[in-house]
Amino acid sequence: QSQLQESGPGLVKPSETLSLTCTVSGGSMNNRAYYWGWIRQAPGKGLEWIGSIYYSGNTYYSPSLKSRVTISVDTSKNQFSLNLSSVTAADTAVYYCARHPLPPSNWFDPWGQGTLVTVSS
Amino acid sequence: QSALTQPPSASGSPGQSVTISCTGTSSDVGGYNYVSWYQQNPGKAPKIMIYEVTKKSSGVPDRFSGSKSGNTASLTVSGLQAEDEADYYCSSYAGSNWVFGGGTKLTVL
Repeated sequence: QSQLQESGPGLVKPSETLSLTCTVSGGSMNNRAYYWGWIRQAPGKGLEWIGSIYYSGNTYYSPSLKSRVTISVDTSKNQFSLNLSSVTAADTAVYYCARHPLPPSNWFDPWGQGTLVTVSS
Repeated sequence: QSALTQPPSASGSPGQSVTISCTGTSSDVGGYNYVSWYQQNPGKAPKIMIYEVTKKSSGVPDRFSGSKSGNTASLTVSGLQAEDEADYYCSSYAGSNWVFGGGTKLTVL
């Protein structure tokens, strides 16, 4: 059973780039059955899908965040990463990574424990 | 504003049934049989409960069930138990992207 763990800075300054990494253990990211995604949750708010990546590098991004998001994968390290540029306070959230099957399948499981990123000067 | 609309709250007494709705459009909920439901307890990551509208994830009690009619999906919890008190989120495939609802806080009275 795969396990996912997010890592990265907990504090980012406005206008800078938020960078997080998700490390996958207990299974290979080269498994062709799955995509690997990022989802965030602002304090007291609902879930928001950010984007997903396949082991080959194929990506899907949220239309509302597409201009600021880059997701990349390093299968040799069993990691995938999120870069979100030009952040504002509205990007303050708990960021989760999760696995999901090939589209159009729609179940995210498992999830990482989440990491809180605060955007503040 | 979330892409899918859920009521902010729902409640019921132990043993009762409660249904949580999730309304989208023909571009998401209505267009695909790929709706899922997640349970989230405070400070924890969401947990998959239902996927592909009606299928239960492993270990999910039989009292949880999902359905869909048109652009609205529903999660029904029958025989409410205290441990069911949590936030519930729906999600749908929306054609090259995925959308979530704003969440419903379920209170067991």
